[in-house]
Amino acid sequence: GQSLEQPSEVTAVEGAIVQINCTYQTSGFYGLSWYQQHDGGAPTFLSYNALDGLEETGRFSSFLSRSDSYGYLLLQELQMKDSASYFCAVLNSGNTPLVFGKGTRLSVIA
Amino acid sequence: KAGVTQTPRYLIKTRGQQVTLSCSPISGHRSVSWYQQTPGQGLQFLFEYFSETQRNKGNFPGRFSGRQFSNSRSEMNVSTLELGDSALYLCASATQDTVSSYEQYFGPGTRLTVT
Repeated sequence: GQSLEQPSEVTAVEGAIVQINCTYQTSGFYGLSWYQQHDGGAPTFLSYNALDGLEETGRFSSFLSRSDSYGYLLLQELQMKDSASYFCAVLNSGNTPLVFGKGTRLSVIA
Repeated sequence: KAGVTQTPRYLIKTRGQQVTLSCSPISGHRSVSWYQQTPGQGLQFLFEYFSETQRNKGNFPGRFSGRQFSNSRSEMNVSTLELGDSALYLCASATQDTVSSYEQYFGPGTRLTVT
């Protein structure tokens, strides 16, 4: 089967750095995506990693290690507006092509 | 370019009834996927349509069905509603089929409450 594991909650201080980890088990793996969802809002795409290594987009970076079936989302210079749920999602060749984790609720505190 | 739109935004139904939800994808997008989101369960994939054909289907009972029209608009139907069907139903569109497109554009969702 397919499964993803990510922490359910993370709390971090404004201005700090936080890392949200995601481990996965799947066959036919293509890549790992990250989505952000604010309360009452729609999920929005943040990043995608198909190859090992770090991808940087502004304050957000995403990392993938295919050999370890592991990835993370790194948020730097945290702002209050970053408080949201973050979902990792595996893109694969199965009947459910995009499988989401249960999400990590990030709370940024002053 | 207008985003993904879903109607209605909120819906209250009674057990045993059926419901139809609608989704209009971003212009030019041919893939539409549907997800069910409940607290603690994340987003669970229902099905995906690409060029009017169901390409993939998640592990949901046959009470959940959908279709896509020639203009890429999609509908999903849930028959014989159960209390457990209460959820946020999200529609997402992409330029290509899901396997080729890791970037999904989500609509605001339809909040369905079954009483």
